[in-house]
Amino acid sequence: GAGVSQSPSNKVTEKGKDVELRCDPISGHTALYWYRQSLGQGLEFLIYFQGNSAPDKSGLPSDRFSAERTGGSVSTLTIQRTQQEDSAVYLCASSLVAGLFSGNTIYFGEGSWLTVV
Amino acid sequence: DQQVKQNSPSLSVQEGRISILNCDYTNSMFDYFLWYKKYPAEGPTFLISISSIKDKNEDGRFTVFLNKSAKHLSLHIVPSQPGDSAVYFCAATTSQNSGYALNFGKGTSLLVTP
Repeated sequence: GAGVSQSPSNKVTEKGKDVELRCDPISGHTALYWYRQSLGQGLEFLIYFQGNSAPDKSGLPSDRFSAERTGGSVSTLTIQRTQQEDSAVYLCASSLVAGLFSGNTIYFGEGSWLTVV
Repeated sequence: DQQVKQNSPSLSVQEGRISILNCDYTNSMFDYFLWYKKYPAEGPTFLISISSIKDKNEDGRFTVFLNKSAKHLSLHIVPSQPGDSAVYFCAATTSQNSGYALNFGKGTSLLVTP
């Protein structure tokens, strides 16, 4: 696609329910990232994928959070037994590869706004 | 533990003047720095970056300055335009981990008034 696509754009869920957030990266991008931004905070790194593997899961806040990526494309972030503190904007991003060099820009999606009530 | 700090939550500047957004970091391992711009209801968009081997990088109206000894960087926008009104995030990372984990500040909301 033309940009990073995320769904749903907004989700209100009851505390204790599970939620799935989906990310469709830019076509051809092998690296995919998940961040979240809680109210009044900066973006917080959660996890990244190079292809289908996630070399670093250390940013995931708890074992209620998991993510997978299949076919080197779409990724799903799953939050089990949601808590009110999970309320945030969950941002997905992608880049050609994981790495810092000119032209390897990280492109962000518009985010999925999650509210846990 | 906030490793990247943007101490000014907001800034107001007149059109045509210079906007200066500041950022401080605490982790001496950071060697790559980026600025992102975010409009409401949109994802952040990349603006400009700088490697620690440089102290200045310029792209059109945008210039980023890096002072490694002070662990400080700044983004200069000149001349400022009303379309520049957005939230600006400073981010830093270390190239040792391929830079995949960006550490973001909380952002500075810039308002450029006509």
